Parts: sequence; structure tokens; C-alpha cells
Amino acid sequence: EAQVTQNPRYLITVTGKKLTVTCSQNMNHEYMSWYRQDPGLGLRQIYYSMNVEVTDKGDVPEGYKVSRKEKRNFPLILESPSPNQTSLYFCASSLKAGIDGYTFGSGTRLTVV
Amino acid sequence: RKEVEQDPGPFNVPEGATVAFNCTYSNSASQSFFWYRQDCRKEPKLLMSVYSSGNEDGRFTAQLNRASQYISLLIRDSKLSDSATYLCVVRPPGGYQKVTFGTGTKLQVIP
Repeated sequence: EAQVTQNPRYLITVTGKKLTVTCSQNMNHEYMSWYRQDPGLGLRQIYYSMNVEVTDKGDVPEGYKVSRKEKRNFPLILESPSPNQTSLYFCASSLKAGIDGYTFGSGTRLTVV
Repeated sequence: RKEVEQDPGPFNVPEGATVAFNCTYSNSASQSFFWYRQDCRKEPKLLMSVYSSGNEDGRFTAQLNRASQYISLLIRDSKLSDSATYLCVVRPPGGYQKVTFGTGTKLQVIP
């Protein structure tokens, strides 16, 4: 089944404890992106990747890192999480950026206390 | 002015009704347009792309009005299962790497 897999689905962590949210797609998509969704603010792009080893900042990149060493994987790293990073996170992919629609992962609900 | 704006709703409509949502965008040179559906706390799912000539998929019709800079989604014969938040998505000019999501319009179909 063609899908984007995110893990974990739920995570509660403490301020400052490094964490990684994994994202993997099995559709050979070139483009991958991370979003966070907050009430009233909609989906905001954190980072995106046009292809392997090509990543760039989105609208709200502060406090996040990403890497794209393989085409299928695009992990999101929070080096030192803070409570304002409590949010619902989605990974998305598409065959070609901006032309095709996105396939989203099921989301990761992160709480930083 | 926001890049993409939607009426947040909620739109409460009876089963069987026809309902329409609009989404306005600020950049007249915007390119690709999409409608997504998002159920509560779940991932957005692509509903349909919006073409210049308009397109229809069953009970759903999407249209683009470039002159007035909005896209629309029409749902006919609403079902209870149509209850969700509908997000419009716009790709501005200048690159393929970024799209902008609207904050969504909530639809509640009532029995």
C-alpha cells in the first residue's frame, strides 16, 4: 500500500530532551515536507526537501532540523524541544513539488512539558 | 491580506443539502490549486485538484475564478460522512517547493 508512515503517533517529552520524529514514504516521491498544525493557524511548513541531500527552510524552521540522506526517509529533529513546539505534526510527500497533491502521514501529536 | 483565506464556519447543513465554500487567494499569478479534506485530528487527504476549466467528481465540483481570485468547492446531496474540515491549497508563482494552506472551513452535516 502506498503510504507515508510517521512515528511515533503520540509523544510526551520534557523541555530540552532531544527527539526525532521519523517519516518514511514508499512511493519513490522526490518531494517531502514537514508541517505543524495549530488551532487557528492552519498548516505551516517547517522544512521541505526537493530530493536527496536537498533541504530548505519553510515558514517556521526555528528549533527544528531535518535530513534527507535517502529518498524515502525525512526525519524531523528537535534538538532542544520547548513547550511552544507542542503541536500536531504532519509529514507529506509528492511525486513532484507543487504539481501533484500531497500524501500525508497520520500525524504525530507532540506535547512538550 | 493573508495569502489564502477561508471562512472558518462552521457550516451546519441538513443532509441532502447543497453547500458551497469559497477560498480567496492574494497572488493573482498563483498556479496550482487543490482542495483537501481533513477529519478531526487526522491527516489531510487530497479531495481534488482545481483546473482552470473546473472539474467534477461525483457530488463534488471545484471551480477556479481567476478574475476574482478565488476557488470554490460545491458539494451536492450532502451526506453525514461529508462532515469534515475542507482546506484549500494554493501554489504561488516562482517555484514548486511551496504551497500555502488555508486554515479550513468546517462542515457539519446534520441528520
